[in-house]
Amino acid sequence: SQQGEEDPQALSIQEGENATMNCSYKTSINNLQWYRQNSGRGLVHLILIRSNEREKHSGRLRVTLDTSKKSSSLLITASRAADTASYFCATDAGVRNNDMRFGAGTRLTVKP
Amino acid sequence: SAVISQKPSRDICQRGTSLTIQCQVDSQVTMMFWYRQQPGQSLTLIATANQGSEATYESGFVIDKFPISRPNLTFSTLTVSNMSPEDSSIYLCSVGGGKWETQYFGPGTRLLVL
Repeated sequence: SQQGEEDPQALSIQEGENATMNCSYKTSINNLQWYRQNSGRGLVHLILIRSNEREKHSGRLRVTLDTSKKSSSLLITASRAADTASYFCATDAGVRNNDMRFGAGTRLTVKP
Repeated sequence: SAVISQKPSRDICQRGTSLTIQCQVDSQVTMMFWYRQQPGQSLTLIATANQGSEATYESGFVIDKFPISRPNLTFSTLTVSNMSPEDSSIYLCSVGGGKWETQYFGPGTRLLVL
């Protein structure tokens, strides 16, 4: 079953603008990961943030985690047309096997 | 990191038939996972496949419909049995846990059932 919700479901911005996507989850976690998926292809891992971390950066990506609110956000700065994709957050169930539970995803469109 | 390949990359099948999807990892892993992604939807875990034991299925998925094999530490198969159009999805295998915190995904198998 899915772990959480993401908003917005779809986001359309102009190239150069920043894009912020949010993710909420329901249970305790060990870590939270963000993935990108282009046009129904495989998932590309973007960034992992552990439950004891509050913020993490990777290039133009910034991820925050608020375990008290059970929420995370992904910020993409200075967006490019190539950033057009679906973005998913995923949490480890923290119970067994390291299987991941995925949010519904945000469809990001960056217009050139 | 892990490099994962899947075969076939896509297929079009007739209802009532079965398709076996292969997943190969470039290193030995204890656990492999199979996910389904229905059109326009997120990923849903089907089952966890441990080498040397029966796969563990998530609620809503049963072994008769999705039999899984795990003959060694680098390979697994998922069979979609007695297919119907509702089985049209992308099926992805992944590995993670243990020496990796990150979960790595294969490129997926896009299945269309007519």
